[in-house]
Amino acid sequence: DIVMTQSPDSLAVSLGERATINCKSSRSASGSNIGNSLAWYQQKPGQAPKLLIYWASTRQSGVPDRFSGSVSGTDFTLTISSLQAEDVAVYFCQQYNSTPWTFGQGTKVEIK
Amino acid sequence: QLQLQESGPGLVKPSETLSLTCGVSGDSIDTSKYCWGWIRQAPGRGLEWIGSQYHRGRGHYNPSLKSRVTISFDAAKNQFSLRLISVTAADTALYYCARETTSDYFDFWGPGALVTVSS
Repeated sequence: DIVMTQSPDSLAVSLGERATINCKSSRSASGSNIGNSLAWYQQKPGQAPKLLIYWASTRQSGVPDRFSGSVSGTDFTLTISSLQAEDVAVYFCQQYNSTPWTFGQGTKVEIK
Repeated sequence: QLQLQESGPGLVKPSETLSLTCGVSGDSIDTSKYCWGWIRQAPGRGLEWIGSQYHRGRGHYNPSLKSRVTISFDAAKNQFSLRLISVTAADTALYYCARETTSDYFDFWGPGALVTVSS
C-alpha cells in the first residue's frame, strides 16, 4: 500500500498568517510515484469531511482561493495563505493513484 | 446540494455482522458518473478506505477487508449499504459514506456513524 505521511501533526497560526501542511507519499510496489493523484480534505469538528483540492492543485468549486495545493515529486503541500477563524479544522490528504486509496493521518490547524 | 447520511446500529457484538445504510439526497445513485463508497476511522487512527461500488457495475475494495465486505444498493430508496461480517473490536470506528468520482477522489461525504463492537 502507498503510505501518506503528513507533517506536522498540528500547527497553530495567527489569524491572517500563512499555514502550510505537507503530505509525502511513499512509492507504490512497482516503484512508481503517485503523480498528481492527490486530494485534500477539511474536516471541522462534528462535520463531514469536505473536498478542498483534487489533482494536487485544482480547487473544488466554492473553495476560497486562499487555499492552494502544489506538488514537487512525492511531496505535496496545502497552503492557506491567510488563515481565517473558520479554517480551524483537521486537514488530510488522500492518494488515488493506486488501490487501496490511502489517507494521511491528518493535521490539526488551530489559531495561535 | 448532495447530502449523505449514515444510519444503523451503534453497537454490534463480536463475530456478528455490521450493517450500515447511507441515504442519498440531491442526486440519484443510479448513475455511471459516480460510485459510492465507505471509509472508516478507528479511534486514534487515520482514515481507512473500505470499498466503493458503482450501482450497475464494477466495484473495488481494500484487500485488507475485501473478504468480509459487501456494498449493495436500493435504488427505490436511493440508498446504499455496507455489510461487514465477523466483526471484532478492531472494527470499532466512525464509518463514513461518500460519493467517489470517476477519478477516485471523494467529493461528498456523510457526517459519519459511530459503531462500537462490544459484547
